[in-house]
Amino acid sequence: GEDVEQSLFLSVREGDSSVINCTYTDSSSTYLYWYKQEPGAGLQLLTYIFSNMDMKQDQRLTVLLNKKDKHLSLRIADTQTGDSAIYFCAEILDTGRRALTFGSGTRLQVQP
Amino acid sequence: DGGITQSPKYLFRKEGQNVTLSCEQNLNHDAMYWYRQDPGQGLRLIYYSQIVNDFQKGDIAEGYSVSREKKESFPLTVTSAQKNPTAFYLCASSMGEGQPQHFGDGTRLSIL
Repeated sequence: GEDVEQSLFLSVREGDSSVINCTYTDSSSTYLYWYKQEPGAGLQLLTYIFSNMDMKQDQRLTVLLNKKDKHLSLRIADTQTGDSAIYFCAEILDTGRRALTFGSGTRLQVQP
Repeated sequence: DGGITQSPKYLFRKEGQNVTLSCEQNLNHDAMYWYRQDPGQGLRLIYYSQIVNDFQKGDIAEGYSVSREKKESFPLTVTSAQKNPTAFYLCASSMGEGQPQHFGDGTRLSIL
């Protein structure tokens, strides 16, 4: 079945690294995504990884995928106050409707 | 600039009234989607369309209707049959199924 789970809240100090975790249950996921949502706004696509990859790096963002454990993480290096937002992981399955299934989001709070 | 435009930003509905949320994209994307977001939750799929003149129900289609007469436009009607319509509605589009989805800024619907 489809289920994406995330922890609800993460607090870090400015300049530290943040690691946001996500687990998914469907092994037929093809793409896995990270989106950022600021208050009252839509979702901004941050990065995504194809299921046959282990890692993807894009500037301050590093995505790690452990397909065996169905675990996805997003690491933000040198976290800034502007990174404070809700972060959603989402998957697209290889079969069926091929629309996004979202986790409930992790609220990242960056303290100065 | 290319993007997705949702209007209005805020919308109020009276009891027994149908309201229509607009979504327009100039990205030349084939696929379009409507999601509903409730406080503290992830996004849930209402309807999606992979091509003009075709659309499919998502997980929570009851009380909603859509049309896809033009590639650029995918309006969502919230009917009086939707008993709990208060939510944040997000429209998205992608080049095709399985491709990254890009989101509009959302419409917040409230009941008078």
